Amino acid sequence: DQQVKQNSPSLSVQEGRISILNCDYTNSMFDYFLWYKKYPAEGPTFLISISSIKDKNEDGRFTVFLNKSAKHLSLHIVPSQPGDSAVYFCAASGSGGSNYKLTFGKGTLLTVNP
Amino acid sequence: GAGVSQTPSNKVTEKGKYVELRCDPISGHTALYWYRQSLGQGPEFLIYFQGTGAADDSGLPNDRFFAVRPEGSVSTLKIQRTERGDSAVYLCASSGSLGTYNEQFFGPGTRLTVL
Repeated sequence: DQQVKQNSPSLSVQEGRISILNCDYTNSMFDYFLWYKKYPAEGPTFLISISSIKDKNEDGRFTVFLNKSAKHLSLHIVPSQPGDSAVYFCAASGSGGSNYKLTFGKGTLLTVNP
Repeated sequence: GAGVSQTPSNKVTEKGKYVELRCDPISGHTALYWYRQSLGQGPEFLIYFQGTGAADDSGLPNDRFFAVRPEGSVSTLKIQRTERGDSAVYLCASSGSLGTYNEQFFGPGTRLTVL
């Protein structure tokens, strides 16, 4: 059973528009959430994170929103650029002694068209 | 500075053979992780080292899988009697401090194919 779900395998957007990637989780013990970006033949690279005590974290063009009651988070990229085309993984970790173990979703392939 | 490196980048082996996959973490990182990414899936946790010891090996699928980190730096993931289902990309990651949420820096992975 998937504890972190990314229900959209792919998303295509036009350059300059907003990309919204969604993620749902089922484990209420998760309290830290991360987004990783992955290009082909490379390892995932950290993009942005959010702690469960916050509902929004912003870093440049990237904003992550967390809705704890709905167990849902989303990554907004605005404006989207062709270089953003990659697979985006949502990941979650627990608190305290298990904060090292990341549980990943299956990923969403984002394509930004020029 | 150098990131996490993994060798080999690709490994093709036959069913039943033994393989070793190597990970060189970022210098000074005390924590090291192995994940496995099967086709169409996200990375799945295998094992976590803090220094030389395996602090959590609960993700290892069975006793054919073993990992070591004898000097607290380089780690080797060892798979005995490989099976076709072991085919996947094996990712290594490392991070800095103890006990806080830390960014895990991933290597490019080793693509293992078991024929």
